[in-house]
Amino acid sequence: GAGVSQSPRYKVAKRGQDVALRCDPISGHVSLFWYQQALGQGPEFLTYFQNEAQLDKSGLPSDRFFAERPEGSVSTLKIQRTQQEDSAVYLCASSLGDRGRLLYQPQHFGDGTRLSIL
Amino acid sequence: GDSVTQMEGPVTLSEEAFLTINCTYTATGYPSLFWYVQYPGEGLQLLLKATKADDKGSNKGFEATYRKETTSFHLEKGSVQVSDSAVYFCARTISSGSARQLTFGSGTQLTVLP
Repeated sequence: GAGVSQSPRYKVAKRGQDVALRCDPISGHVSLFWYQQALGQGPEFLTYFQNEAQLDKSGLPSDRFFAERPEGSVSTLKIQRTQQEDSAVYLCASSLGDRGRLLYQPQHFGDGTRLSIL
Repeated sequence: GDSVTQMEGPVTLSEEAFLTINCTYTATGYPSLFWYVQYPGEGLQLLLKATKADDKGSNKGFEATYRKETTSFHLEKGSVQVSDSAVYFCARTISSGSARQLTFGSGTQLTVLP
């Protein structure tokens, strides 16, 4: 379909391993967001891209988390030396980006990657 | 700071019952407000939105009105169906900077019984 695609859907890793999560946004969407959703909670913001520029990474919980979007389309969220508290669902969202001061484009979410750290 | 508080669940209703899920937001800036729905095993789907005071968002029989005077955006549906069973999240845009990330409530689990 034409929605946001994330892969893998499920990822199990041992503590200390590195993982990489992929997001394919909707074609033509300028803005891309990563969120972390703990069990039973709402998503929490991690980082935001406008095209290839990472404009906000204030939500990344530690320097073990790194995100990139080198060509302004596909994005990868990398977590180094994973810890058990990293276990969560990682959601990617994209939007067209603002077209004007009064017009806000909603975010469209992928199905997420469920990450389990053993 | 920017936050959203929504009614704690779980909520269990019989089919055709009236639904209200309360949501209030902090009165900072001029946020856009949203309701998202999450079905089991799926990502968030936008249900409805409102971008300024007194706007009413509506979709699939659900409605919510942006009330600036009470800083509320309560979700309502006149007659729920079993297929409406899901987790519902209220969200707002943040009020600072140029980014448009969302701040979410903790979600309300709705179960509709036949």
